[in-house]
Amino acid sequence: DGGITQSPKYLFRKEGQNVTLSCEQNLNHDAMYWYRQDPGQGLRLIYYSQIVNDFQKGDIAEGYSVSREKKESFPLTVTSAQKNPTAFYLCASSIRTLRATQYFGPGTRLTVL
Amino acid sequence: AQTVTQSQPEMSVQEAETVTLSCTYDTSESDYYLFWYKQPPSRQMILVIRQEAYKQQNATENRFSVNFQKAAKSFSLKISDSQLGDAAMYFCAYRASMNYGGSQGNLIFGKGTKLSVKP
Repeated sequence: DGGITQSPKYLFRKEGQNVTLSCEQNLNHDAMYWYRQDPGQGLRLIYYSQIVNDFQKGDIAEGYSVSREKKESFPLTVTSAQKNPTAFYLCASSIRTLRATQYFGPGTRLTVL
Repeated sequence: AQTVTQSQPEMSVQEAETVTLSCTYDTSESDYYLFWYKQPPSRQMILVIRQEAYKQQNATENRFSVNFQKAAKSFSLKISDSQLGDAAMYFCAYRASMNYGGSQGNLIFGKGTKLSVKP
């Protein structure tokens, strides 16, 4: 089945540690996105990539890093510089036009202990 | 900057009844796209309906329809014949049709409306 997968579903991290969230899609989409969701809030954009080997900062990129070495994969690293990383993280993808609808993965819940 | 406002943090509807969720947005653009996403307890975001701003006709998808008022910058979602499975958070989202400030037309979300369906 075509879709977007995110792993793990739940992730626990100690303060001061970096952690990487996985996002994979087999929809042949060029564009991929990472969003953060906090309780009572809508989604906020962290990073996005329109094409392989290129990515751009979103509204809340500080403390995060990404890579886009393959079309299918867009991993997100939450670094120790992120002050409040506990949140729900959603990955999305779309075809590479501004008309495109974004489709979302199931999300990863990150908790910092 | 564009903003999206959902003024109803929570709504409740009786099963089989109709409910309308409100959304307003602010933009200086003339061409853009609007979306309603549903987030059930599983937390996966599911596209409900989409509206192109250049289309005057309101979008419909089965029991879901929108009332798009471009001049008023209003985009409400109507759910008819509500079902228990409709219970979820509903998010309104905006996307510009052109590059705007380097955003590449990324989605801007409201804070959501939690819909409860009573049996």
